[in-house]
Amino acid sequence: DTGVSQDPRHKITKRGQNVTFRCDPISEHNRLYWYRQTLGQGPEFLTYFQNEAQLEKSRLLSDRFSAERPKGSFSTLEIQRTEQGDSAMYLCASSLAPLDTQYFGPGTRLTVL
Amino acid sequence: GENVEQHPSTLSVQEGDSAVIKCTYSDSASNYFPWYKQELGKRPQLIIDIRSNVGEKKDQRIAVTLNKTAKHFSLHITETQPEDSAVYFCAASDRDFGNEKLTFGTGTRLTIIP
Repeated sequence: DTGVSQDPRHKITKRGQNVTFRCDPISEHNRLYWYRQTLGQGPEFLTYFQNEAQLEKSRLLSDRFSAERPKGSFSTLEIQRTEQGDSAMYLCASSLAPLDTQYFGPGTRLTVL
Repeated sequence: GENVEQHPSTLSVQEGDSAVIKCTYSDSASNYFPWYKQELGKRPQLIIDIRSNVGEKKDQRIAVTLNKTAKHFSLHITETQPEDSAVYFCAASDRDFGNEKLTFGTGTRLTIIP
């Protein structure tokens, strides 16, 4: 499968725990994006990378959230001290160039109990 | 920042009829407008997109129209089929040279009635 992949697909955690998600973009795509989608809503932009550089962060991304793309390939999104309001689908997307289509991964569904 | 509104939130049409979904955007600098289809439990998939230098684009049964003056764009699906049932999202980007940050509408749940 040469599409965007995400791991895990589902995560259930208790409030206050830390979680980390991984995204593997399409090979050679230098742009990588994170979005969050809650039930009945469209995806909301969180942050994006060009290669290893994080170029923009939404104000939705509180201090508890951190994203990295250390080698310009896969990316991780970590949420510290999870809250029930963090429950959502976390989507990753990648594109080859600034004017290219964003291709989405299957998402990681987070449930915070 | 950009704000995208989408209507209707739900739409039911008879198989074979046409469906139209409308979106408005707030940022006149937006120049890229994709439409994504998301089936239940699956990832969003691009079905068509349009850039601000054209007013209409068509791909088989799907077309998108853009009115920059009024700041709205629409998705048209003709000869609808059961497999068109899904949630459709419009989006807009306000980057001059790229489409880094997509702002999405709230989605339209389209149901095709056999």
